[in-house]
Amino acid sequence: IVLTQSPATLSLSPGERATLSCRASQSVNNYLAWYQQKPGQAPRLLIFDASNRATGIPARFSGSGSGTDFTLTISSLEPEDFAVYYCQQRSNWLTFGGGTKVEIK
Amino acid sequence: QVQLQESGPGLVKPSETLSLTCTVSGGFISSYYWSWIRQPPGKGLEWIGYIYYSGSATYNPSLKSRVTISLDTSKNQFSLKLTSVTAADTAVYYCAREVNGYYPNSYYMDVWGKGTTVTVSS
Repeated sequence: IVLTQSPATLSLSPGERATLSCRASQSVNNYLAWYQQKPGQAPRLLIFDASNRATGIPARFSGSGSGTDFTLTISSLEPEDFAVYYCQQRSNWLTFGGGTKVEIK
Repeated sequence: QVQLQESGPGLVKPSETLSLTCTVSGGFISSYYWSWIRQPPGKGLEWIGYIYYSGSATYNPSLKSRVTISLDTSKNQFSLKLTSVTAADTAVYYCAREVNGYYPNSYYMDVWGKGTTVTVSS
């Protein structure tokens, strides 16, 4: 299953809303996760099963979608949220999307 | 809490075998799935494979012919071997723990090692 993330880069200011998309080439049911990666760090699990926040993840992060279309929303960007975000599915083998970089405008 | 630490040579010659170990501390390896993921410089994440605590392993089809993942429960470690390496295998290699989500067949990587850089060069 191929996961296509868009846009590749999102340029926003702190306080703005970020909407990231992940589209699967076939249904992944709800077996989709989102990870955040900062430079020089390992990825961190944000969302699992499409819409459930992992332990310790702030409420400004939310996930939605099912089947083939999924969205990660950051309601109001904090300075520490500027990073690269990856979606990942485990419905059929395991694949990651290509990533969306959220950069400061 | 559970922590993972990758270890192994940082430099491997072309055509040789890359060998890495992930040591699990603060918890037991005898449960969960355990994964290897890599990230070439400036690129995205690529799943290499995972192993269940029972010893059953599943590999990325694109790497399957060259990959072996194994488990040593007595040492609380799992390992990666990648044969016949080329420059394309240069990457940061991560190990990670997979935990079950809310559905029976959903698993996600909730704990990651810090990663180790492996360069393939003569």
